[in-house]
Amino acid sequence: EPEVTQTPSHQVTQMGQEVILRCVPISNHLYFYWYRQILGQKVEFLVSFYNNEISEKSEIFDDQFSVERPDGSNFTLKIRSTKLEDSAMYFCASSSSGGRGETQYFGPGTRLLVL
Amino acid sequence: AQSVTQLDSQVPVFEEAPVELRCNYSSSVSVYLFWYVQYPNQGLQLLLKYLSGSTLVESINGFEAEFNKSQTSFHLRKPSVHISDTAEYFCALQGGSEKLVFGKGTKLTVNP
Repeated sequence: EPEVTQTPSHQVTQMGQEVILRCVPISNHLYFYWYRQILGQKVEFLVSFYNNEISEKSEIFDDQFSVERPDGSNFTLKIRSTKLEDSAMYFCASSSSGGRGETQYFGPGTRLLVL
Repeated sequence: AQSVTQLDSQVPVFEEAPVELRCNYSSSVSVYLFWYVQYPNQGLQLLLKYLSGSTLVESINGFEAEFNKSQTSFHLRKPSVHISDTAEYFCALQGGSEKLVFGKGTKLTVNP
């Protein structure tokens, strides 16, 4: 069964450093999402992406964050200058067609620790 | 604003016992409701969803959830759990857009 994959599974970085989290969505999917879960808190929506454009973003997704689909298979989340509060589990998701009601398929997550 | 509340952070049960995981939501617009399950070291997987029609929805592995608009609830139930049901369960809604709004999750532990 096709699945969303994410790399790395764990990343440790120093505050102020740039990190890139990578995701390979399911191959025929066109809609992509990033969510994050700070330890002990809810899974929170960050951004949705379609046709090489951001469709929607949350208040969390400020200028420090960016997303890109650099080729036909990868979808990346970049944090330019990490802060301690960026420590979280980051989930990528994809769906075949966007819109309400469509199933979003999630990857296993990347656990980011900012020291 | 929309929100999802899962009051129980942990639910321990014995194998073959029934279980109910509670989910309440708040939204000023109509919602679609979802239950996702996360097994250890895996991503969130869709368990079931309510979009419209019958308020009782079922999954292939015996779970069911009932949409109750008057009580703004979408509780998840299973009449007899297995050890393999041990996982974390997330309730989520979609309101005016495709973004999912999640609850904090409930860790279900099924003991022999």
